[in-house]
Amino acid sequence: DVKVTQSSRYLVKRTGEKVFLECVQDMDHENMFWYRQDPGLGLRLIYFSYDVKMKEKGDIPEGYSVSREKKERFSLILESASTNQTSMYLCASSPLLGAGVNTGELFFGEGSRLTVL
Amino acid sequence: AQKVTQAQTEISVVEKEDVTLDCVYETRDTTYYLFWYKQPPSGELVFLIRRNSFDEQNEISGRYSWNFQKSTSSFNFTITASQVVDSAVYFCALSPNSGYALNFGKGTSLLVTP
Repeated sequence: DVKVTQSSRYLVKRTGEKVFLECVQDMDHENMFWYRQDPGLGLRLIYFSYDVKMKEKGDIPEGYSVSREKKERFSLILESASTNQTSMYLCASSPLLGAGVNTGELFFGEGSRLTVL
Repeated sequence: AQKVTQAQTEISVVEKEDVTLDCVYETRDTTYYLFWYKQPPSGELVFLIRRNSFDEQNEISGRYSWNFQKSTSSFNFTITASQVVDSAVYFCALSPNSGYALNFGKGTSLLVTP
């Protein structure tokens, strides 16, 4: 069974702390993504990566960075957490099919709910 | 620019009613993919369907059916004879052929009561 695992379901941090959200997938997928989900705003893309050490900004990258040192792991970093980063963070992965075809089907983790006080 | 609009924020129905969730999209790409995902109360998004822009055939899977109409840029989702277990947030999403990430709508929260 395919699996995307996020390291923490619930985190509480203080303003100014550095926060790491970890995501691991066991499907050998090339693409990995970080979204945040907020009521009334749906899912918004923060960053994505289509290969090891590669990253691309999504729609709302400000205040975040990412790291992809290994194919199976994609980390989201909040350098200095702020209260407006209180949210549900969703990690996802997707395969790159043959001949460069990317159909975009995503496999999601259970989410990490972050509260910044 | 890509955009997905789910105008219905919340829908409440009684069990066994049919319900349609609307999705309207905007894209300049000629090749693209449309998706529906379900997010139950547990939180993990579950893939329901993918449709590419060249395939306008409607699809039925059990109580679920999807109506794709390029003329109106819509990809609506109908649940027939709804059940309490259908209660969830449903997201419509769009993926450009050349891109990697999905653009999601804001979601429609469906509540099915007994």
